Amino acid sequence: DPKIIQKPKYLVAVTGSEKILICEQYLGHNAMYWYRQSAKKPLEFMFSYSYQKLMDNQTASSRFQPQSSKKNHLDLQITALKPDDSATYFCASSQVGTGDYEQYFGPGTRLTVL
Amino acid sequence: GDSVTQTEGQVALSEEDFLTIHCNYSASGYPTLFWYVQYPGEGPQLLFRASRDKEKGSSRGFEATYDKGTTSFHLRKASVQESDSAVYYCALSHRNTGNYKYVFGAGTRLKVIA
Repeated sequence: DPKIIQKPKYLVAVTGSEKILICEQYLGHNAMYWYRQSAKKPLEFMFSYSYQKLMDNQTASSRFQPQSSKKNHLDLQITALKPDDSATYFCASSQVGTGDYEQYFGPGTRLTVL
Repeated sequence: GDSVTQTEGQVALSEEDFLTIHCNYSASGYPTLFWYVQYPGEGPQLLFRASRDKEKGSSRGFEATYDKGTTSFHLRKASVQESDSAVYYCALSHRNTGNYKYVFGAGTRLKVIA
């Protein structure tokens, strides 16, 4: 059974539109993350959340907004999409504070902005 | 800030060759060091980790030793197989409470030719 679910797997959007990438984890972890992977930056950290609170934000643009409606959910809203936003977005989770803190990654959402 | 440097961007080997992928880090204290592997179409998955100086991590024939003196965590495998073809990421994280940030290297693409 998949432990981290990301939806959709593929997403095509037009420039200027808005999309939401979904992530749910069923590992019981207390921290969740978003990463972006593109040809320019292989694996780029974006956000970290713990107990639905933002812990770290390394994304310069406010067009990227994480949303956490439940402890095991961390969606990513992207507004005013640009072609440069085309990338694969990975959600990850980990258990922080107990020593077992390696990150587990989802399968990714591949976003193409035309 | 913390950083991870992987020297090789791409490595091409024949089956049964010896593999070394160099990883050097810059961080305060004793970060935990990881190696992740990413197969096409999937998210990165943990290969192994090490948390203390001189600790060796290993999995599936791959191994690396935490060396605080040289700030290195080089990945090695004695005899690679075609199925090892993937992208390998070196990463670090701190155990401090409140630090949820993971830092990944740029990745090394390994291609093993049968």
